[in-house]
Amino acid sequence: AQRVTQPEKLLSVFKGAPVELKCNYSYSGSPELFWYVQYSRQRLQLLLRHISRESIKGFTADLNKGETSFHLKKPFAQEEDSAMYYCALRQTGANNLFFGTGTRLTVIP
Amino acid sequence: EPEVTQTPSHQVTQMGQEVILRCVPISNHLYFYWYRQILGQKVEFLVSFYNNEISEKSEIFDDQFSVERPDGSNFTLKIRSTKLEDSAMYFCASSLEETQYFGPGTRLLVL
Repeated sequence: AQRVTQPEKLLSVFKGAPVELKCNYSYSGSPELFWYVQYSRQRLQLLLRHISRESIKGFTADLNKGETSFHLKKPFAQEEDSAMYYCALRQTGANNLFFGTGTRLTVIP
Repeated sequence: EPEVTQTPSHQVTQMGQEVILRCVPISNHLYFYWYRQILGQKVEFLVSFYNNEISEKSEIFDDQFSVERPDGSNFTLKIRSTKLEDSAMYFCASSLEETQYFGPGTRLLVL
């Protein structure tokens, strides 16, 4: 069965410091991984997906199949990055997403 | 930019009552989804809908739940006889291809 694990419920970093939000997954097939973000009082929105290999708002994430990880990284955190971050997995041939429990990131000014 | 909308934003109901949650997906999207998030827990998939029928559903989506696209624009989730444990935030989403766009959610409280 598939599973997405985000080990940190809360993460606080100082402005300008690097940030890494961890995501590990369990899935026997070839997954598609996503990061969604939810800013305060806003809806869930896609931040990035592994197949596009983009950098959005300075964030990057690399799919490491050996470690079954898809950690989200940013070299210099900004206050506006404070939000809830969800890692999600989509199975091959399916449309629905499996979400992790989320990590609340707080960037301290 | 077009967005998914959901009504109502909040709904309070008595246990055993029927509720209908409404969603207007983005107009050219083909796939529609319902997810829920119980307070403090993860976002969970309920059901997906494509070409006027359910394409996938989770174990949560039992006989108490149904979905409908009554008029080509709205996408509804009906819970026939609500239980206390149905209290959650319900999110609608739609997609044209892989990227799912989420609505703001309806917070359902069952008393």
